This record gives sequence, structure tokens and C-alpha cells, in this order.
Amino acid sequence: TQLLEQSPQFLSIQEGENLTVYCNSSSVFSSLQWYRQEPGEGPVLLVTVVTGGEVKKLKRLTFQFGDARKDSSLHITAAQPGDTGLYLCAASYSGAGSYQLTFGKGTKLSVIP
Amino acid sequence: DSGVTQTPKHLITATGQRVTLRCSPRSGDLSVYWYQQSLDQGLQFLIQYYNGEERAKGNILERFSAQQFPDLHSELNLSSLELGDSALYFCASGLAGGNNEQFFGPGTRLTVL
Repeated sequence: TQLLEQSPQFLSIQEGENLTVYCNSSSVFSSLQWYRQEPGEGPVLLVTVVTGGEVKKLKRLTFQFGDARKDSSLHITAAQPGDTGLYLCAASYSGAGSYQLTFGKGTKLSVIP
Repeated sequence: DSGVTQTPKHLITATGQRVTLRCSPRSGDLSVYWYQQSLDQGLQFLIQYYNGEERAKGNILERFSAQQFPDLHSELNLSSLELGDSALYFCASGLAGGNNEQFFGPGTRLTVL
């Protein structure tokens, strides 16, 4: 069973600060998605990364896929209260059950005005 | 709005009872996935259907079952309910190929009393 570790588990920062959250696995991903979830709602897909070393930007969010495809990071620049939420990474692995997504437990981000 | 719909939004029932949760996927998506989210376990994959056929099974209890109908909507049946089954249940849909992107519905909050 593949496990995805996310860190930190909780993060509370002031508006305007920068932050980075991490997602790590002992196994190679075939693809990795980042989602954001608000309380009582479904996760919303932010980005998919596939190629080792890939960097994608979505406004103030920068997503990076590790060269070995075992880790990923999400960096938020100048955080705003609207960024508050649970950030989840989810990975697909090659082989049997390759269309399953394995989710990390998430990073709960609070941005204080 | 992801285009995935789930009903009901909330469900309150008693131990020992049986309930059915319903999901309609995004237009064009052939695959439906069911997930359970509880506070301590995070998002856990339960089962996947593709074009009416079961494709992958995760941590689904024997008391739970699912099916996908010819119009591609899916139902998750939970029986002999226990207090520990209280959780958010999400349905997601996708193309089940490529980068395995999945789009989540708003969820059903199940409370077992």
C-alpha cells in the first residue's frame, strides 16, 4: 500500500506571507494532483503534474514535481484569506489499480487577515 | 461547480439501517469513484466503476455495495449501519485514463445515531 505524507499538517499564517506545503511518497507517482477542499464541500482540482521536474503556476500558486517523481510541493505567494482551506495531494501509481487515487491527509491552511 | 451531482446532501439514520447514496457524473465521463472521508482517516477510496463495470476496489466493507447504471449514474448502498460509518461520502467522475484527473461532487454527509 502506497502512502502519501503531507507536511505540515496545520499552518496558520498572516495575510501577505509566503508558504510551502509538501507531499512525499516512497514510491514513484505516474501522476499527481493537488486539490483544495473547503469545510463540508468536495475537493476542487487545482493542478495535475506528470513529468519529473515539472513546474506549473496558477496565479499565486506554484506547483513543483520532484525530479524522481516521488515528491511535490505547493508554494503560495502573498497568501490571502481566500486561500484558507485543506490542501490535498493525490497520486496515481503504475500497475494494478492505476486509476485509483491515493490521498494524503492534507495540510489545513488558515490565513489570518 | 464540478458538474458532478450527489443526493442527498445530508442523511441522518439509525444503527442497523440501510441507505442509498446517488451520484450523477459529469457529462462525458464514463468512470465513477466513491470515497469516504472521516476526520481521522482522510479521504479513502472505496470503489470504481467504468461504463457499468466494477474496475477497482479499495477499502470497501462487505456491508457496502455499489453499482453503475446504463445512464452512468451510480449508487452506493450502505447496510447494517454502525456509528463508525458516519462520514462524508464523495463521488468523483473522470475519464479513467490519461492523467487520471477526477472531479468531485459536493458529497453526502451521513450521520448514524
